[in-house]
Amino acid sequence: AQRVTQPEKLLSVFKGAPVELKCNYSYSGSPELFWYVQYSRQRLQLLLRHISRESIKGFTADLNKGETSFHLKKPFAQEEDSAMYYCALNTSGTYKYIFGTGTRLKVLA
Amino acid sequence: ETGVTQTPRHLVMGMTNKKSLKCEQHLGHNAMYWYKQSAKKPLELMFVYNFKEQTENNSVPSRFSPECPNSSHLFLHLHTLQPEDSALYLCASSQEVGTGGSEQYFGPGTRLTVT
Repeated sequence: AQRVTQPEKLLSVFKGAPVELKCNYSYSGSPELFWYVQYSRQRLQLLLRHISRESIKGFTADLNKGETSFHLKKPFAQEEDSAMYYCALNTSGTYKYIFGTGTRLKVLA
Repeated sequence: ETGVTQTPRHLVMGMTNKKSLKCEQHLGHNAMYWYKQSAKKPLELMFVYNFKEQTENNSVPSRFSPECPNSSHLFLHLHTLQPEDSALYLCASSQEVGTGGSEQYFGPGTRLTVT
């Protein structure tokens, strides 16, 4: 069965420290992966997707098919990065999206 | 208003009531989605409509009944709900699915409490 796992419910780091939010997926096909973010009192919004290979707000994520992972990384965390982060899998060619349980990132001053 | 809007933002209903949630998207998208977000559980996809046709029904109980009269509007009709149906219900929209998947745009959600 398709599944997305985010093992950490809460991740606390100090400002300026590196951040890595883990995401592992289970899917036998060719995955399309996303990171969504929800800042306090705002709606869920796309942060980045694997196919675009962009760096958004300093965040990057690389798809590792061997490890079935799509971890989100940022070298230097900022206080404004504090938010809820969700990893999501889209099964190829369909409208089916599967979300992880989310990781709350707290960046401490 | 731009983007995806949802009304009402909060709803309290008894188990015997009938109510409807409304979603409207102003983005010209073709696909619309209903999700359920419960505490401590992942976002659960409930229904998907593409060009007004339902393409996904994720084994949702029949007490939830979706309706998509056109590509801009999506409803979720509720009747004889259970307390465990209390959750945040999110609506989203996207363009056609293509290579690399399609970004979803989310509404603010309707916080539903079933008493």
